[in-house]
Amino acid sequence: AQSVTQLDSHVSVSEGTPVLLRCNYSSSYSPSLFWYVQHPNKGLQLLLKYTSAATLVKGINGFEAEFKKSETSFHLTKPSAHMSDAAEYFCVVSPPGGGADGLTFGKGTHLIIQP
Amino acid sequence: GAVVSQHPSRVICKSGTSVKIECRSLDFQATTMFWYRQFPKQSLMLMATSNEGSKATYEQGVEKDKFLINHASLTLSTLTVTSAHPEDSSFYICSARGFGGVGFGTQYFGPGTRLTVL
Repeated sequence: AQSVTQLDSHVSVSEGTPVLLRCNYSSSYSPSLFWYVQHPNKGLQLLLKYTSAATLVKGINGFEAEFKKSETSFHLTKPSAHMSDAAEYFCVVSPPGGGADGLTFGKGTHLIIQP
Repeated sequence: GAVVSQHPSRVICKSGTSVKIECRSLDFQATTMFWYRQFPKQSLMLMATSNEGSKATYEQGVEKDKFLINHASLTLSTLTVTSAHPEDSSFYICSARGFGGVGFGTQYFGPGTRLTVL
């Protein structure tokens, strides 16, 4: 069984300041982990994924995430927020093996960027 | 690479009619496609998984006779909402996963289709 918890339903930061979106997972095996972003009325865009290689994963648009097995966390960070980062972010877990079947979605974190 | 399209992006229909939504993988072959439903301000709910050339696997609680899924080729899957009712109004999103190269090991999502049933 697997589950994912996004600890904050909303995060608000000022433009130019760091972003931290928190995600914890539960899994009986070493999972694959993903972060997706969804802009209003749009589909999901893959930001980055972890599949048991390097624990620090760099994604698109300056985002990165670190897989910490001891903490069962996969938090998403960005050093400096941009207005275009305002969107909904989903942390997603799937079983290992790269098959990406059986995705389990977190409930999402709404990122608000203050000017 | 790994682009998925959906058509139409938005559809409004009368209650009782059927609506077909297409999902295409544009630059890779998708052996598996997934259909999700998303209610406002909520996460995605997996409806069904379809493998090319075989019947779709539906999640518990999803009516297979109401949501018909066809995956006739490696680049196209369709979702038909039959006899649509207002409660079927939602945002439907498909995703596709390839078997090698581009698209492997990751689900790539389409832009979604907003269905409104009057």
